Amino acid sequence: DTAVSQTPKYLVTQMGNDKSIKCEQNLGHDTMYWYKQDSKKFLKIMFSYNNKELIINETVPNRFSPKSPDKAHLNLHINSLELGDSAVYFCASTQGQGWSTEAFFGQGTRLTVV
Amino acid sequence: TQLLEQSPQFLSIQEGENLTVYCNSSSVFSSLQWYRQEPGEGPVLLVTVVTGGEVKKLKRLTFQFGDARKDSSLHITAAQPGDTGLYLCAGANSNYQLIWGAGTKLIIKP
Repeated sequence: DTAVSQTPKYLVTQMGNDKSIKCEQNLGHDTMYWYKQDSKKFLKIMFSYNNKELIINETVPNRFSPKSPDKAHLNLHINSLELGDSAVYFCASTQGQGWSTEAFFGQGTRLTVV
Repeated sequence: TQLLEQSPQFLSIQEGENLTVYCNSSSVFSSLQWYRQEPGEGPVLLVTVVTGGEVKKLKRLTFQFGDARKDSSLHITAAQPGDTGLYLCAGANSNYQLIWGAGTKLIIKP
């Protein structure tokens, strides 16, 4: 069973479109995250939800809107896509926020905006 | 702003050589983790170090947490092509957030 699964794995779309990426974790974890990994491979946190509540909201354009219908799901909706949004987006989850927190990652969604 | 600086950013060596990757910060972390990421996959945890001065071994990989819990190193002995990948360090701060390094891209040539 896949612990953290995100769909789609690849997404190619035109500028200006709206798209969503879905994420589900079956680990029973309390906290879920969205990360963006750019072409230089730097992982940058975008959002964090704990028990469906937003706890981290880094400086990202408000075109990005996360939604957590329940603690096992965290979806990312992006409006008016721009060329600079092209990157790999990773969903991750952790159990609580303790010092021994291990992050489990999905396989990533490679978004290409053309 | 807490930062974790990883060095080198890129390393390409021959099979059988030894190497060390460093992760440094001016901040204290409650724990530090090392992840490995392969192409097309998400990062996967290798080890977590918690105590200052702690050393953990995973086969040919040796991880050390600095005495002051501000830095860490990953040493690979007799590197193999299968060790190729992106190595990421991540520190847990007092707010229980993970602060990530920029990664070290490692290529081991046969």
